[in-house]
Amino acid sequence: QKEVEQDPGPLSVPEGAIVSLNCTYSNSAFQYFMWYRQYSRKGPELLMYTYSSGNKEDGRFTAQVDKSSKYISLFIRDSQPSDSATYLCAMTADYKLSFGAGTTVTVRA
Amino acid sequence: GAVVSQHPSWVICKSGTSVKIECRSLDFQATTMFWYRQFPKQSLMLMATSNEGSKATYEQGVEKDKFLINHASLTLSTLTVTSAHPEDSSFYICSASHDRDYEQYFGPGTRLTVT
Repeated sequence: QKEVEQDPGPLSVPEGAIVSLNCTYSNSAFQYFMWYRQYSRKGPELLMYTYSSGNKEDGRFTAQVDKSSKYISLFIRDSQPSDSATYLCAMTADYKLSFGAGTTVTVRA
Repeated sequence: GAVVSQHPSWVICKSGTSVKIECRSLDFQATTMFWYRQFPKQSLMLMATSNEGSKATYEQGVEKDKFLINHASLTLSTLTVTSAHPEDSSFYICSASHDRDYEQYFGPGTRLTVT
C-alpha cells in the first residue's frame, strides 16, 4: 500500500465548474499537507499548504484536511482553462515530502 | 522570491557517458536540497537529500555511485548521472529548502534522454 493515494484521473470539467481533488494517506505522522500544480514538463509549483485539520482558502482555491479520516482535498472554484494541469498532493512528517500520483485536470473552454 | 533554477533544461547523451545537472537557489540560501526523478505520468520519487558540506543521503534503491550528488555551497547542488543508460532517461527535478523548513521550492526540471 502506498503512503499517499491519489486518483490519477484524468478529470475533465467545463470552464466555470468546481474541480474537486483528493488524497488519502496512511501515515498518521504526517503533519504538513501541500498541493502542487505541475504543468507539462515543468517543475511543481506550490499552491496551498496546511498544517491543521480544517479549511484554508486562497482566492479560488480551498484546501481541506481531515486528519481523523486521513483525507485531504483541494477545491478549485470558477475553473479556467489555465487551471489545466496535473495537481499533486504532498505531505511530510519531517522534511521529506511524500507525493501522490497526481491528478491530470483539463478545463474545457 | 524563492526561485530555483536548473541547468540544462534538456540534455541528450549517449549511453555510457556522464551527465551533470546543476540546481541553484537564486535568492535564498538552501541548506537542504532534494533530487527527484519523475517518469512519464508518474509522481515525483525522491532520490536523495543533500545538505551543504556533507554527504548526500540516498533513498533505498538509488545507487549512490551512479547518481553522484555534490552540495558544495548554499546555493548550488549538482547531480551527475554516471555511465548513463537508456533506462536513466527521465525528468530530474531538484528542490531547495531553507533550514530544513517543510516548504520546498522546486526547479523547472531537466529532461535527460540517453540514446
